[in-house]
Amino acid sequence: DAGVTQSPTHLIKTRGQHVTLRCSPISGHKSVSWYQQVLGQGPQFIFQYYEKEERGRGNFPDRFSARQFPNYSSELNVNALLLGDSALYLCASSPQLGTLYEQFFGPGTRLTVL
Amino acid sequence: DQQVKQNSPSLSVQEGRISILNCDYTNSMFDYFLWYKKYPAEGPTFLISISSIKDKNEDGRFTVFLNKSAKHLSLHIVPSQPGDSAVYFCAASGGTGTASKLTFGTGTRLQVTL
Repeated sequence: DAGVTQSPTHLIKTRGQHVTLRCSPISGHKSVSWYQQVLGQGPQFIFQYYEKEERGRGNFPDRFSARQFPNYSSELNVNALLLGDSALYLCASSPQLGTLYEQFFGPGTRLTVL
Repeated sequence: DQQVKQNSPSLSVQEGRISILNCDYTNSMFDYFLWYKKYPAEGPTFLISISSIKDKNEDGRFTVFLNKSAKHLSLHIVPSQPGDSAVYFCAASGGTGTASKLTFGTGTRLQVTL
């Protein structure tokens, strides 16, 4: 069975640009979460979506937005990129909401902002 | 405000010996704790978890201990194997309704030497 997939693997952008990252959850999983991992830090929660609705939002500016599609895949959008947005962006899927459901992570998208 | 802390950035253990990784948390609303393992160029992989109603959970070579009064948990790996060399993240969730936001520590890099 395929795990969580993310695209692209790597991305280089310049300040001020916009970026879209994509995530396909494990088949049957309805919840998708996004995390940002800056070098030397642990992953930091950005968003959680379940059944196409936002169910949680971390402490990130409005430049960050996301959505979930009817097939449960998801996009993370970041506008007006800053150098500090350079990070590994991780997507995680789980069957349902709730703390007892394990979250399965994808390999991440490495974003570099120059 | 770092709600989950892993104060040891790195740990080196000889093969066959016990590895003990520590984690402290400050938010008393956390009720579920997890350990993830991360290899380079891969997403975090779930290892073991523990609910706040327990003080110990065991799965093969991995045991997690929870001391709620001290807001401290630890991961024991016995015996340690070279393949265990990775970055280990402690994570916590709870107190956020139906969302399953994970709050991660900064990670501990474990190196198991021959």
